[in-house]
Amino acid sequence: EIVLTQSPGTLSLSPGERATLSCKVSQAISTTYLAWFQQKPGHSPRLVIFGASKRATGIPDRFSGSGSGTDFTLTITGVEPEDFAVYFCHQYRTSPWTFGQGTKVEIK
Amino acid sequence: EVQLVQSGAEIKRPGESLKISCAASEYNFDNFWISWLRQLPGKGLEWMGMIYPSDGDGRYSPSFLGQFVLTVDKSIASAHLQFYSLKASDTAMYYCARHKGAGYCNSANCWGFDVPDVWGQGTMVTVSS
Repeated sequence: EIVLTQSPGTLSLSPGERATLSCKVSQAISTTYLAWFQQKPGHSPRLVIFGASKRATGIPDRFSGSGSGTDFTLTITGVEPEDFAVYFCHQYRTSPWTFGQGTKVEIK
Repeated sequence: EVQLVQSGAEIKRPGESLKISCAASEYNFDNFWISWLRQLPGKGLEWMGMIYPSDGDGRYSPSFLGQFVLTVDKSIASAHLQFYSLKASDTAMYYCARHKGAGYCNSANCWGFDVPDVWGQGTMVTVSS
């Protein structure tokens, strides 16, 4: 099973600051198979990034994904109030599909 | 708009059975794999298994084998997650999600699938005596 480890667990930021979220994968995967989801309390996960760097429909360009191999990053350039949420990375290279434990982006 | 709409919250006692549903609309239900995922209270996401509506081919995570069964009813474009004997530890939010594109499976695992891009709103299941 491919294990994903996210850091930090919590990121405390003021609106307008830059958020950098890390996802380390236990074995190298193609960028094709790494995604990021956003989840707000009481809501289902929302796809933000797929293929490591492709924004999903309706996702603003302040969200960007990068990385390769075992190290991937989600960056929010200028966090907006609606961006405060939990973010999960996800690999869909090989089943069982797995997720990181999440990074909470909270208001400082 | 492509949508997955799940059945409502359930409160059950240990040992009871439960079937929750995920109704698809505005796309060809037969041709897209549906995954089911669990989220324990305050925790992350766990993939339980997935099913291909066209032929009912089901794939299960080794972590969840034997705990539930996945089925579909093509006549109403719905996927179902059925528990036969619930435990308190099954208390969780359950999500269905559609995979954007299909991949390949052998007897052991699957690969080459596309990301789950459309999610249901979730079904909260509470199991308590």
